[in-house]
Amino acid sequence: DVKVTQSSRYLVKRTGEKVFLECVQDMDHENMFWYRQDPGLGLRLIYFSYDVKMKEKGDIPEGYSVSREKKERFSLILESASTNQTSMYLCASSPGQSREKLFFGSGTQLSVL
Amino acid sequence: AQTVTQSQPEMSVQEAETVTLSCTYDTSESDYYLFWYKQPPSRQMILVIRQEAYKQQNATENRFSVNFQKAAKSFSLKISDSQLGDAAMYFCAYTTNAGKSTFGDGTTLTVKP
Repeated sequence: DVKVTQSSRYLVKRTGEKVFLECVQDMDHENMFWYRQDPGLGLRLIYFSYDVKMKEKGDIPEGYSVSREKKERFSLILESASTNQTSMYLCASSPGQSREKLFFGSGTQLSVL
Repeated sequence: AQTVTQSQPEMSVQEAETVTLSCTYDTSESDYYLFWYKQPPSRQMILVIRQEAYKQQNATENRFSVNFQKAAKSFSLKISDSQLGDAAMYFCAYTTNAGKSTFGDGTTLTVKP
């Protein structure tokens, strides 16, 4: 089975801290995605990547950056965490040129105090 | 940009009954893919069903089926013989040919015993 692993299930950080959310997939997928999930707002795309060292902005990239140095790993970075970035963050992957389903991690609930 | 609308924030169904979750979307593309995902309390997103836009035949997966109306841009999910394990949040998703997905806000389904 494809596995998408997010490094933390729960995370508490202080305002202004630099935060790294890590995501690793084990099926050699080209595509990787970061979403945030908020009640009543569904899933909103932050950044995505179709290949190593490639990245594209999603719908809500402000305040975030990403890094994809290796195919299996896609990191989401909050340069200076703010309270409005308190949310559930979901990582997903899918094969390249594919319209197959997304494979999701189990999410990181981030609280910024 | 594509948009996906789920007009029912919450739905409930009696065990063994049938329920339909609605989804509409807006796009100017002719080739795309539609998905329903289920997110139980464990937070792990699971694929329920997938539909290719070029196929007229509605997709079915055991107790789950869709009513895909391309001209109306409608993609509803029917759950037959509802079970307690069907209780979850359900997300409708539109996916482009490049594999980028846009999600609706979700519908929380409660199953009453």
